[in-house]
Amino acid sequence: RKEVEQDPGPFNVPEGATVAFNCTYSNSASQSFFWYRQDCRKEPKLLMSVYSSGNEDGRFTAQLNRASQYISLLIRDSKLSDSATYLCVVPRSGGSYIPTFGRGTSLIVHP
Amino acid sequence: GAGVSQSPSNKVTEKGKDVELRCDPISGHTALYWYRQSLGQGLEFLIYFQGNSAPDKSGLPSDRFSAERTGGSVSTLTIQRTQQEDSAVYLCASSQDRGQKAFFGQGTRLTVV
Repeated sequence: RKEVEQDPGPFNVPEGATVAFNCTYSNSASQSFFWYRQDCRKEPKLLMSVYSSGNEDGRFTAQLNRASQYISLLIRDSKLSDSATYLCVVPRSGGSYIPTFGRGTSLIVHP
Repeated sequence: GAGVSQSPSNKVTEKGKDVELRCDPISGHTALYWYRQSLGQGLEFLIYFQGNSAPDKSGLPSDRFSAERTGGSVSTLTIQRTQQEDSAVYLCASSQDRGQKAFFGQGTRLTVV
């Protein structure tokens, strides 16, 4: 199993839709999880941290399922500006805390 | 500074030349990471600096790649005898401490011709 796996998509959704992405990870000892957003030819930008109890930031909700070793990102009421690649980040195995990035899931929101 | 700063933003070099890429992390951040991203690919980890500890160089693809971090702040990534496959965007990130959220610079787009 790869350290971090994501469905590359693309997820093609209309404005206003709700869309969810999952990301599976292999290191069961992982503690710190994040979602980043990357626009075309730009650097990744932190979207939100993922806490054990789940967390919400406006239209975005992140969840952690330790038993099944995945994290999820839910986007409600999608906007055109949400179109981007969403990267899941978990620490590399071995206790080094080096952020390991998934390949990303592409989201396209259309009118 | 307010954010992570990288220079140059673009670099075109001839095959076989050496290049130096610079990263100025957020002030006070003890952790600094270098990644590279080839077109259409994910982020590939290169090297990690944490405070005064020995760097984790496990991601460096060959001995042509090296990096240093002076005074716990600015970092330089050096690629010797560049090859065409080194063409990529080189991204630097820093975080306040290990395991914490990391912030990226805008990257250096390296093209080897």
